[in-house]
Amino acid sequence: EAGVVQSPRYKIIEKKQPVAFWCNPISGHNTLYWYRQNLGQGPELLIRYENEEAVDDSQLPKDRFSAERLKGVDSTLKIQPAELGDSAVYLCASTLGAGEFEQYFGPGTRLTVT
Amino acid sequence: SQQGEEDPQALSIQEGENATMNCSYKTSINNLQWYRQNSGRGLVHLILIRSNEREKHSGRLRVTLDTSKKSSSLLITASRAADTASYFCATSSGYSTLTFGKGTMLLVSP
Repeated sequence: EAGVVQSPRYKIIEKKQPVAFWCNPISGHNTLYWYRQNLGQGPELLIRYENEEAVDDSQLPKDRFSAERLKGVDSTLKIQPAELGDSAVYLCASTLGAGEFEQYFGPGTRLTVT
Repeated sequence: SQQGEEDPQALSIQEGENATMNCSYKTSINNLQWYRQNSGRGLVHLILIRSNEREKHSGRLRVTLDTSKKSSSLLITASRAADTASYFCATSSGYSTLTFGKGTMLLVSP
C-alpha cells in the first residue's frame, strides 16, 4: 500500500514568490494534516481537514497561507508571498478519521526561501 | 506552541546499550504517542499509550506514562546503529490533533 505522497521534495524560491505543496494521503484516510517543522523543532500543526472541511486552521497564518482539499482526497498548501522565515519542512499526514489514531506522515517538502 | 518537552536533548550510546528518553507535558491528555524521525524514512509512529494505561511494550520499546506527574518515558533496549534518529513525543487532548515536543536526538555508535 502506498504511503502519503508529497511533492515536490525540495523547493528553493526567492522571497515574495509564491509556492505550492501537494499531498496525496493514504487511500481511505479521511483526516489530513499539514505541519511545519523548523530546524531542531518538532512539527507544528498548520491545518487539519476532515474530508473536505478545514476543522482546525487556528495556527495557519491566513494572510499568506491558504490550503484546500477538493473532493476530500488530495490537498494543496500555498504560500503567497513567501518570506525568509517560511523556510522549513512542510509535512503532510493522514489518519483513518477523527479520534485517537496514529498519524502517517509523508516525506515532507523542504522549502528554502532566499 | 509545543506542549511536550523531551529530555535529554541529545543522547549518545554504544550499540547494545539501553536508551531512555523522557517527555513532560503541561495539560491533561487523551493519549501520548512516540514518533521517530530520520533522514531516510521521515516521521514514523512507534507506539501509542492511552491516558488510562501505565505501561506498554512493542518489540524492543517500552513506554511508561505517569499522568499524575504529566510525564512519559521511552526505553529502547539493546540499541542498534539503525536506531539513530530523533525521537518525539506527541500528546493528544482530543479530536486527533497532536502537539509535538522538540525531540531527543539519539546517536547509537557501532
